[in-house]
Amino acid sequence: GQQVMQIPQYQHVQEGEDFTTYCNSSTTLSNIQWYKQRPGGHPVFLIQLVKSGEVKKQKRLTFQFGEAKKNSSLHITATQTTDVGTYFCAGPEDRGSQGNLIFGKGTKLSVKP
Amino acid sequence: DVKVTQSSRYLVKRTGEKVFLECVQDMDHENMFWYRQDPGLGLRLIYFSYDVKMKEKGDIPEGYSVSREKKERFSLILESASTNQTSMYLCASTTDRTNTEAFFGQGTRLTVV
Repeated sequence: GQQVMQIPQYQHVQEGEDFTTYCNSSTTLSNIQWYKQRPGGHPVFLIQLVKSGEVKKQKRLTFQFGEAKKNSSLHITATQTTDVGTYFCAGPEDRGSQGNLIFGKGTKLSVKP
Repeated sequence: DVKVTQSSRYLVKRTGEKVFLECVQDMDHENMFWYRQDPGLGLRLIYFSYDVKMKEKGDIPEGYSVSREKKERFSLILESASTNQTSMYLCASTTDRTNTEAFFGQGTRLTVV
């Protein structure tokens, strides 16, 4: 069945280092979404990418959607302790059902001060 | 602000009990979802609903049922709780069938003893 894979599963960085998580779909996606879940919290929507090759920035976060619309990445420049959490990508299910999202397993980021 | 509210933050139940997890959203969203989240397994879809009285099985529906009698409320039922259903349960909603962002509740951490 349709899958969204995300790597790495865990990433430990020193504060100030960069961080990247990668998302790969088994099918072409109409859009891809990114969520952040802080420790003890719930996933919160960050951004949606729709166009092939699209790049969007939110302060130190850069999101990319691949040309084939099957992969995406989230890059954080100069991580801070506030970036700690799990980052999920998600794409719409393609089986024709209504509004379901397929989530990657997430990348858990820890930042050492 | 969109609000998705889950009835309990923490719940402890005994094996064999019937358990009800309630979720209410206040933004007139058509779609509602129940996920469970376990370490290393990401978000796994249990059931979702795209309309009142409509439901579809997700990836792991066994041992669960759902009810959606009103648009704003989506209930997850554990017919006979078992220890392997100890988990974090997350409810989410989206506006329509075109995959806008998902809004999550704060989660219910269920422990079955």
